Amino acid sequence: GNSVTQMEGPVTLSEEAFLTINCTYTATGYPSLFWYVQYPGEGLQLLLKATKADDKGSNKGFEATYRKETTSFHLEKGSVQVSDSAVYFCALISGGSQGNLIFGKGTKLSVKP
Amino acid sequence: NAGVTQTPKFRVLKTGQSMTLLCAQDMNHEYMYWYRQDPGMGLRLIHYSVGEGTTAKGEVPDGYNVSRLKKQNFLLGLESAAPSQTSVYFCASSQGTTYNEQFFGPGTRLTVL
Repeated sequence: GNSVTQMEGPVTLSEEAFLTINCTYTATGYPSLFWYVQYPGEGLQLLLKATKADDKGSNKGFEATYRKETTSFHLEKGSVQVSDSAVYFCALISGGSQGNLIFGKGTKLSVKP
Repeated sequence: NAGVTQTPKFRVLKTGQSMTLLCAQDMNHEYMYWYRQDPGMGLRLIHYSVGEGTTAKGEVPDGYNVSRLKKQNFLLGLESAAPSQTSVYFCASSQGTTYNEQFFGPGTRLTVL
């Protein structure tokens, strides 16, 4: 079946450090891939998405590239800020799934000043 | 636009009590979803709806019922609450295709004693 695996957290970084959160997936067909972010006490917000192989999603300095050959969608940011502290979820929607999202378990990021 | 709203924000129940969670969206989305979020588990789909008057089971439907009498509303019911249903519940809506992201509400924190 379809699944998403992302790196375990928590991840603690100093401000301005480089961030990578790994995400790999298993899916039939050609899924769309998403990164959602959840700030403390809030719901999930879409951070970025990619809908086909080699697409790069980007937003707020975050980037992720849809790699079909490695079934990966790793999240990166060159210089994190304290305000980036949140839980990050990788997710996919596979074709024919009626838009149902499959989530990874989430990675908590804490950025220290 | 309010987006996706959820009522109530917090609730404490005793085992065996019943309650209904209300989700409303003002984006004219066809698809609506109910998830639960538990520590270390990510988000898991409870039920979803692909249009007014329709409902379908997700990954963890047992102990819950849903109704979609109006396009903009999606209700989640617990007929006889159990401590295992202590969780944070999120509602989401979308256009429903593979490419369209889901928009999430702020969540309802439910505790069953």
